[in-house]
Amino acid sequence: QKEVEQNSGPLSVPEGAIASLNCTYSDRGSQSFFWYRQYSGKSPELIMSIYSNGDKEDGRFTAQLNKASQYVSLLIRDSQPSDSATYLCAVNEKTDSSYKLIFGSGTRLLVRP
Amino acid sequence: EAQVTQNPRYLITVTGKKLTVTCSQNMNHEYMSWYRQDPGLGLRQIYYSMNVEVTDKGDVPEGYKVSRKEKRNFPLILESPSPNQTSLYFCASSFGGEAVTQYFGPGTRLTVL
Repeated sequence: QKEVEQNSGPLSVPEGAIASLNCTYSDRGSQSFFWYRQYSGKSPELIMSIYSNGDKEDGRFTAQLNKASQYVSLLIRDSQPSDSATYLCAVNEKTDSSYKLIFGSGTRLLVRP
Repeated sequence: EAQVTQNPRYLITVTGKKLTVTCSQNMNHEYMSWYRQDPGLGLRQIYYSMNVEVTDKGDVPEGYKVSRKEKRNFPLILESPSPNQTSLYFCASSFGGEAVTQYFGPGTRLTVL
């Protein structure tokens, strides 16, 4: 079973700071990586996807991928209290006939006003 | 509106009483999947389906059944529920392929007494 590891947190940051969320994965063959945000009791919603080494920016969010180190991260600039949620890292794993998403257990982020 | 719907949203039942959780999507997605989410364990895939009449086991299929008779529907069946199946269940759908986004339903919170 391929694994995706995240620190469970909580990661506590003050409002306006940069929050840095990290994820490592075990399958060197993985090519697609995703960050989902999940508010308590709600369904996961996609924030970012990244497929190539380097940085990908979207508004206040930046995803970073380093395939050599099997490491993917999410930076949230100018953190807001509304960013307080659990962030799930997901990696696509190839099966015999398809692909499936493997999720980490999530990092809980708290943004203090 | 593009969406994944699940019913019921909340269900309390007793051990051994068969139940079905329905899932429907209106985005013409080929790929559909069921996950369960438990504290500290993240999202774990139960079953997935790559298209009509094509289903396969995920990581935790024991005690569950699925069917895919129509493209839009992917019901999850618990023939004889047990308390260890108490969990939060999510249905998700996407187009086929590796680099695709999965869209999640709102979740079904199941309690088995």
